[in-house]
Amino acid sequence: DQQVKQNSPSLSVQEGRISILNCDYTNSMFDYFLWYKKYPAEGPTFLISISSIKDKNEDGRFTVFLNKSAKHLSLHIVPSQPGDSAVYFCAASATSGTYKYIFGTGTRLKVLA
Amino acid sequence: EAGVTQSPTHLIKTRGQQATLRCSPISGHTSVYWYQQALGLGLQFLLWYDEGEERNRGNFPPRFSGRQFPNYSSELNVNALELEDSALYLCASSRDIAYEQYFGPGTRLTVT
Repeated sequence: DQQVKQNSPSLSVQEGRISILNCDYTNSMFDYFLWYKKYPAEGPTFLISISSIKDKNEDGRFTVFLNKSAKHLSLHIVPSQPGDSAVYFCAASATSGTYKYIFGTGTRLKVLA
Repeated sequence: EAGVTQSPTHLIKTRGQQATLRCSPISGHTSVYWYQQALGLGLQFLLWYDEGEERNRGNFPPRFSGRQFPNYSSELNVNALELEDSALYLCASSRDIAYEQYFGPGTRLTVT
């Protein structure tokens, strides 16, 4: 039962263009969402988060959008840079009850110079 | 500020043996999480420790266990190793359950 899904295993984008990474979830109890970036041979690095009380959070080139009714969130990277090439994981949690993070399977982003 | 550290970096064991993986959280963080990333798969939640107590565990058999010490460092033990236990094991820490987790570099466990 995959509660957090990243349906695109890979994405290629030209440098300078927008990268959009998508994530869907099924559990309506999830109220806190995060995006992580992972380079090979390193642990994931926190990028940006969003609480369910918001529908958008922005940090520099990274913006996360949350659509609660569709149970969908997306990460926008503008402009994309070659150094953004990595695997991106979305994660969701329910901050009440039996709390734990559920991660998606990741999307490998390749930014082409 | 020192990040999350894990040891060893690599671990090679044979089937049936036991493996012990260690994690030191960021100073001031009381929660430690363990994840398994098998080849081609996402991060699978294993265990969550907070203030020395196991708070939650993922869908893994009981031979995956661990503990958290008074200094908040943690140990993951995998007994009766099976070939499919070969994976990258990641430890993360956070200062509260509602905050983002910071990950260590991982321990690559290979079972032959």
